[in-house]
Amino acid sequence: DTEVTQTPKHLVMGMTNKKSLKCEQHMGHRAMYWYKQKAKKPPELMFVYSYEKLSINESVPSRFSPECPNSSLLNLHLHALQPEDSALYLCASSLTATGLYEQYFGPGTRLTVT
Amino acid sequence: AQTVTQSQPEMSVQEAETVTLSCTYDTSESNYYLFWYKQPPSRQMILVIRQEAYKQQNATENRFSVNFQKAAKSFSLKISDSQLGDTAMYFCAFSQGGSEKLVFGKGTKLTVNP
Repeated sequence: DTEVTQTPKHLVMGMTNKKSLKCEQHMGHRAMYWYKQKAKKPPELMFVYSYEKLSINESVPSRFSPECPNSSLLNLHLHALQPEDSALYLCASSLTATGLYEQYFGPGTRLTVT
Repeated sequence: AQTVTQSQPEMSVQEAETVTLSCTYDTSESNYYLFWYKQPPSRQMILVIRQEAYKQQNATENRFSVNFQKAAKSFSLKISDSQLGDTAMYFCAFSQGGSEKLVFGKGTKLTVNP
């Protein structure tokens, strides 16, 4: 099973709302990633978790808060977002975060901030 | 820093024909990996093919094959017998052994015409 699942598929939220995105994998991967993708652009790395510890934060604003409760789950908590944060948010996983293994991507959450 | 360049923003091909997508990269490292990812209009990013830099043999995966020219730092993707389902954005990506980051090119939008 090479599947990464993400919920919800679509999310519309106001600038004062708090919401969370969820990502799950059951491939035994120990690295998980959050990306932001704007239309017709490549994904931009936001966060990397390796063995449930945050190893990379690409200077992402604090209104995005990642959480890795266990090796299979990755959350992204959203608070006080701006309209420019509207994008497709992709989760990915790989066996390890060593650059040796391909990343498997989920279908993404389409986020609209109003 | 490593960079990945895809010089063809858009391409089109007739169904059943062959098309080649170009990718060049820049690195001073010797231990690295190259990938082609496909993102159809449904937006799920799918791994197409992977190449280890230390392998001289070009990777193949059914109708997809690469031409890996290490000295020229070139990694092109050939799609044979193009199908309508091959219509997608194709991203070339690079990862360095020991690094948590996947570096993407800007992508090539491929349209397969009936």
